[in-house]
Amino acid sequence: DTAVSQTPKYLVTQMGNDKSIKCEQNLGHDTMYWYKQDSKKFLKIMFSYNNKELIINETVPNRFSPKSPDKAHLNLHINSLELGDSAVYFCASSQDSSGGARNEQFFGPGTRLTVL
Amino acid sequence: SQQGEEDPQALSIQEGENATMNCSYKTSINNLQWYRQNSGRGLVHLILIRSNEREKHSGRLRVTLDTSKKSSSLLITASRAADTASYFCATDLGYGKLTFGQGTILTVHP
Repeated sequence: DTAVSQTPKYLVTQMGNDKSIKCEQNLGHDTMYWYKQDSKKFLKIMFSYNNKELIINETVPNRFSPKSPDKAHLNLHINSLELGDSAVYFCASSQDSSGGARNEQFFGPGTRLTVL
Repeated sequence: SQQGEEDPQALSIQEGENATMNCSYKTSINNLQWYRQNSGRGLVHLILIRSNEREKHSGRLRVTLDTSKKSSSLLITASRAADTASYFCATDLGYGKLTFGQGTILTVHP
């Protein structure tokens, strides 16, 4: 059973398009995250949700909009895609965000986004 | 700005040798975590050390934390070819916000 799953695994699209990436976790966790990993493998947090509420919102263009329909899902919608959005996007979840071992994060397999 | 900095950026060793990776950070932390990433895969949590702990072990892994120097090290003993991966330290600043270093690429030759 996959703990944190993402779809699609690969996404190739043209500049200016709008696309979504879906994430689901079956671990019963309260907190979910989106990270961006660039071509130099640098991993940076974008957003986190705790029980469907936004708790971390880093400096990310407002073309990126996360949506959490329930605590098991956190989707990422990207409007007007740009070349610089090309990266691998990882979803993750943790038991909650209260600290210590409960912050151990479980990552999905990633979605490789290529903007042409 | 980046919170964690790993050193070295790349490490190449023979199977059976020990591998040591270091991580330095800039601000106070709740805990520090180490993750492994195999090529083309997601990150896998290895070990978490709290800010009031100095050393932690898990199997062949040993992590130390020196909060006065704002540094941590990950030691993998008796390395195996399957340990080949990128290793990241991540500092937990609170609310689950992890800030990752740029990683150490470890290659273990059979």
